[in-house]
Amino acid sequence: AQSVTQLGSHVSVSEGALVLLRCNYSSSVPPYLFWYVQYPNQGLQLLLKYTSAATLVKGINGFEAEFKKSETSFHLTKPSAHMSDAAEYFCAVSASGGYNKLIFGAGTRLAVHP
Amino acid sequence: KAGVTQTPRYLIKTRGQQVTLSCSPISGHRSVSWYQQTPGQGLQFLFEYFSETQRNKGNFPGRFSGRQFSNSRSEMNVSTLELGDSALYLCASSPDLSGRTGELFFGEGSRLTVL
Repeated sequence: AQSVTQLGSHVSVSEGALVLLRCNYSSSVPPYLFWYVQYPNQGLQLLLKYTSAATLVKGINGFEAEFKKSETSFHLTKPSAHMSDAAEYFCAVSASGGYNKLIFGAGTRLAVHP
Repeated sequence: KAGVTQTPRYLIKTRGQQVTLSCSPISGHRSVSWYQQTPGQGLQFLFEYFSETQRNKGNFPGRFSGRQFSNSRSEMNVSTLELGDSALYLCASSPDLSGRTGELFFGEGSRLTVL
């Protein structure tokens, strides 16, 4: 069975600082991993995805994530936070045999202060 | 290209009533998935439809049901509403036929409040 754990339900950074959102997964098969972002009163938007090609994945808005099999991690980073990055971020894994069924982590709310 | 459209955006019901939510996927997308989002349980998969057939179902009681029409539009229904059904219901469509890329395009959701 697949599962996702996001460490830290709230993360606060200063504008211009490094953003690091942590995600660890558990999967019995090679995983497909995703990061989605949700802005207030909106649906989710795909930031990036890992599908067993390159381990360093670049996404939209300057975000990237590195797949580390030995650590079962898929942490999301951005070198310099912007006020507009304030949102909730969800890590997800594709359920094996699950078609478009995603298993989401609990989410991390990112606050960016001036 | 229009995004995923969900209606209604907000609704209030009382316990015991039933509700139907509608989702129009992005044009050309044949897969539609539904998720429930609550503060306590987070995002949970309800079901997925592809070409009018349910091909995956989450761990929800039978009060939750759905269907998909020939034009790929989908509806979900919740009968005998309970207070715990209060949630944001998100619909997502996908162009992916295999279903493994996980590239879902979400609507803005229907926020259901049960009183």
